[in-house]
Amino acid sequence: GESVGLHLPTLSVQEGDNSIINCAYSNSASDYFIWYKQESGKGPQFIIDIRSNMDKRQGQRVTVLLNKTVKHLSLQIAATQPGDSAVYFCAEKVTDKLIFGTGTRLQVFP
Amino acid sequence: DTGVSQDPRHKITKRGQNVTFRCDPISEHNRLYWYRQTLGQGPEFLTYFQNEAQLEKSRLLSDRFSAERPKGSFSTLEIQRTEQGDSAMYLCASSLQQGQGTQYFGPGTRLLVL
Repeated sequence: GESVGLHLPTLSVQEGDNSIINCAYSNSASDYFIWYKQESGKGPQFIIDIRSNMDKRQGQRVTVLLNKTVKHLSLQIAATQPGDSAVYFCAEKVTDKLIFGTGTRLQVFP
Repeated sequence: DTGVSQDPRHKITKRGQNVTFRCDPISEHNRLYWYRQTLGQGPEFLTYFQNEAQLEKSRLLSDRFSAERPKGSFSTLEIQRTEQGDSAMYLCASSLQQGQGTQYFGPGTRLLVL
């Protein structure tokens, strides 16, 4: 399939390790944030979201942290698996549309 | 499959031709969005509908682009007189109006203008 994000920042991790992907957002008024996973040739897939009145939210193997002071989001993936290999985007909701950050390519090696 | 669907998945056209893409949202979602994504970038907002009404259009949406959602269900995005710079992935998403309005994306239509 066609690659997405040929020149994106890349995070390489060993299978089984934890991954941390970081994102800076721009709008102080944003009150809702989402992490998406995008595999080659596919549309973005919802992973986890967080509202601005929270600083942490956990899902299955994933945790999102929000630091409003410095306008920073992070996505933590526990026990990273080969199937986690993809490009990850954070997005902030501004009025009713999403503004996407620069993606990060996650590569998982055995 | 009850997710967002898009058709076609791939389109190759010659410069100057018109193209039309279709998006079918998740059935109970009343909001539908169009985004464009170029290689190495995140999706960029183009326009969105709430039911039949087109509520916002980005400055990215030139006069050659038009989107419709005549019955508040599926939507079409038409590009007239295509240019090479229109080559991109065109993504559709849908959401509920209520709550956070989490947007769920379709697989996209990959357009290549020769």
